[in-house]
Amino acid sequence: GAGVSQSPSNKVTEKGKDVELRCDPISGHTALYWYRQSLGQGLEFLIYFQGNSAPDKSGLPSDRFSAERTGGSVSTLTIQRTQQEDSAVYLCASSLVSNTIYFGEGSWLTVV
Amino acid sequence: AQTVTQSQPEMSVQEAETVTLSCTYDTSESDYYLFWYKQPPSRQMILVIRQEAYKQQNATENRFSVNFQKAAKSFSLKISDSQLGDAAMYFCAYRTLISVGSNYKLTFGKGTLLTVNP
Repeated sequence: GAGVSQSPSNKVTEKGKDVELRCDPISGHTALYWYRQSLGQGLEFLIYFQGNSAPDKSGLPSDRFSAERTGGSVSTLTIQRTQQEDSAVYLCASSLVSNTIYFGEGSWLTVV
Repeated sequence: AQTVTQSQPEMSVQEAETVTLSCTYDTSESDYYLFWYKQPPSRQMILVIRQEAYKQQNATENRFSVNFQKAAKSFSLKISDSQLGDAAMYFCAYRTLISVGSNYKLTFGKGTLLTVNP
């Protein structure tokens, strides 16, 4: 597609439930990133994919967070047993390897 | 590790006036990229301008220009003829050219909220 596409745009979930957030990067972009932005905060790096592999997972906050990428394209970020502190905007971005990073519109997660 | 500092949490400007947003960074690297991103209420991070550190000439994109001072590690953004649509959160970001696990990591400042007054 023309830009990075994310779904859902907004998600309200109950504490303890699992959620999946989806990212469809710009066609041809081999690098894909997930960031988290909590209210009033800057961007926190979560995970980086090059193709289908994730050589940098250093930002994942706990083992409740996981992500995968298939076909060198779509990525899914899964949060298990959600907690209220997981409430944030989750931003996906893609790029050619060391080039400019382009962001999607984000998925706003609220855990109640 | 690199750090990016935006010392102005909030700024305001009158429509049609000029405003400058500050950014400083800390690095031991000699080559890197610097970016300004804009995040309006729609949440999408939009690239405003990009600067390669090896280029001495300051980048310019229409009403947006930067003052890149490599020795001082300063990268300010100037917005000329400010428009209501410029109101947003602005993030300064640093991208290393040294990969860690092939990740050329992008480090963000905490942002400056710009208000444009009519």
